[in-house]
Amino acid sequence: KAGVTQTPRYLIKTRGQQVTLSCSPISGHRSVSWYQQTPGQGLQFLFEYFSETQRNKGNFPGRFSGRQFSNSRSEMNVSTLELGDSALYLCASSRGSTDTEAFFGQGTRLTVV
Amino acid sequence: GQQVMQIPQYQHVQEGEDFTTYCNSSTTLSNIQWYKQRPGGHPVFLIQLVKSGEVKKQKRLTFQFGEAKKNSSLHITATQTTDVGTYFCAGLWTPLVFGKGTRLSVIA
Repeated sequence: KAGVTQTPRYLIKTRGQQVTLSCSPISGHRSVSWYQQTPGQGLQFLFEYFSETQRNKGNFPGRFSGRQFSNSRSEMNVSTLELGDSALYLCASSRGSTDTEAFFGQGTRLTVV
Repeated sequence: GQQVMQIPQYQHVQEGEDFTTYCNSSTTLSNIQWYKQRPGGHPVFLIQLVKSGEVKKQKRLTFQFGEAKKNSSLHITATQTTDVGTYFCAGLWTPLVFGKGTRLSVIA
């Protein structure tokens, strides 16, 4: 079956701009989580969506937002980009109930200049 | 908030040596998962441990879950160059909370 698809794979943005990243989960998976990965910081949780509802939110500023559509696809948006937002953004999907194994996409590498 | 601590942060070994990474939580975990991320890749699920004291093996990899369900370890016997990557533990509190990982380098 198709894996988790993230688009775009690479992005270069300027400070102050905004960006939208997309994630298509594995068919049948209703939970989508987003993580920010930077060197030395591991995977920091941004938010999780389940059946179009935000179920959990990490400790990130309000510039980071997301949503999930009825087909489980998810987007995350970062407004007013800062240099420190440069990172690999990973999306992970799971069935979301008792089956919690996370399947990760390849990620979107965002560079803010 | 919930967090998991992982040590060591880096480990360099000669091919054929053993490797162990440890994961500790300040609170009891319902379960713990382990992932491996190859350089330039994305995390890939390895295993989930649920029961207190559980031990699971996958070929040269041995995973343990502590009796108190607050710690876990991953041990690799006789490392190979294919073992290179970063190993993460993740505690399930809904959502998964990841440790910072242990980066393993294997010198041939």
